[in-house]
Amino acid sequence: DAKTTQPTSMDCAEGRAANLPCNHSTISGNEYVYWYRQIHSQGPQYIIHGLKNNETNEMASLIITEDRKSSTLILPHATLRDTAVYYCIGRYSGNEKLTFGTGTRLTIIP
Amino acid sequence: DTAVSQTPKYLVTQMGNDKSIKCEQNLGHDTMYWYKQDSKKFLKIMFSYNNKELIINETVPNRFSPKSPDKAHLNLHINSLELGDSAVYFCASSQSASNTGELFFGEGSRLTVL
Repeated sequence: DAKTTQPTSMDCAEGRAANLPCNHSTISGNEYVYWYRQIHSQGPQYIIHGLKNNETNEMASLIITEDRKSSTLILPHATLRDTAVYYCIGRYSGNEKLTFGTGTRLTIIP
Repeated sequence: DTAVSQTPKYLVTQMGNDKSIKCEQNLGHDTMYWYKQDSKKFLKIMFSYNNKELIINETVPNRFSPKSPDKAHLNLHINSLELGDSAVYFCASSQSASNTGELFFGEGSRLTVL
């Protein structure tokens, strides 16, 4: 699985869009980009994943660059409940496991 | 109705004891996992079972023994507990091992070894 690099921490004002970057320059062609988050003391929660195209669901949008070496998770209107550690993970199709890195600690500021 | 449930949520015990953590999922998934999150918050996979068969066994001491009586349950038994076993243990499930879908995690079981 590709090694991913994320900023250690970020702040975002409540109501604004939170843009969380992730570098995955060694990602291979059939490797998906997954995003999970972990709110304090809870289990990790799936957010979104994608391969090449941009993806959107009810929680977030995922923008993947054309060369697939980086991606951005966008929370369109951040709320205080979005304060969490966000993990960007590369995962091969058919790979049974998710390998978590250190993630980005996102703090939403009132 | 909780999708992935773990018991107990908290467990405090003495060094040398044996303890078990239970996990159940009601999602009809084929694959279940145990992850360990230590005091530095690193999440590491320990085991994975697919339809009751062990498919992932990371470098984990033999004192840890997972058991899957059926595909909806994956229990973790730990013998001769050590201080370093103190952590939060998360159970998870996914539709199948080869599926690219999401993992659903339980709320965690916080184990403290004194």
